[in-house]
Amino acid sequence: QSVLTQPPSASGTPGQKVTISCSGSSSNIGSHTVNWYQLLPGTAPKLLIYTDNQRPSGVPGRFSGSKSGTSAALAIGGLQSEDEADYYCAAWDDSLNGWVFGGGTKLTVL
Amino acid sequence: QVQLQESGPGLVKPSQTLSLSCTVSGASISSNRYYWSWIRQPAGQGLEWIGRLYSNGSTNYTPSLKSRVTISIDTSKNLFSLDLTSVTAADTAIYYCARVSGFRGHAFDIWGQGAMVTVSS
Repeated sequence: QSVLTQPPSASGTPGQKVTISCSGSSSNIGSHTVNWYQLLPGTAPKLLIYTDNQRPSGVPGRFSGSKSGTSAALAIGGLQSEDEADYYCAAWDDSLNGWVFGGGTKLTVL
Repeated sequence: QVQLQESGPGLVKPSQTLSLSCTVSGASISSNRYYWSWIRQPAGQGLEWIGRLYSNGSTNYTPSLKSRVTISIDTSKNLFSLDLTSVTAADTAIYYCARVSGFRGHAFDIWGQGAMVTVSS
């Protein structure tokens, strides 16, 4: 059981906007920034969002992050077929003194 | 371009030690600007952080694995390593090494492609 809670699946059609939630507690998201990662089979995981809402260079602007209290969200606008992947949120946790991840959300582009 | 590459046996027997290396290219592992981590993903499950290593050799480990894990650095070869002792089938997973950037919210900003390790007799 993951410390951070994500929906196991999400879906949308090309061009739509999809939002993936990530819920935590005061010891992790409530106290620290959230990062988001994209995992595609057979490839190195990719950092999508850091410090709640910052995009590394090369990540399209249609990926955005937000945080409020002990919850965070990843929004993907203008959905494309290549966005079909697993998405994970992560944050530092003071109780565990380490990083914790969400259980991952499998995004399907219909 | 910074790249990380995991290497090591793909099959380990129960009760033995799992050993993996992560070779860093395009950057010095001794840099104070970054530090390094191991993360794993059991089949069908989510990601689990294993531990982190600073260039001075200091480490932190996740509590559930702390008694069995050692992460070490070899600056001469520009790599860092993971040793996990007394493995069981529950340690079967894809093991990733990653760079942690203090400039990017201490995010894992570069990852290796992962090494599949199966624990089986």
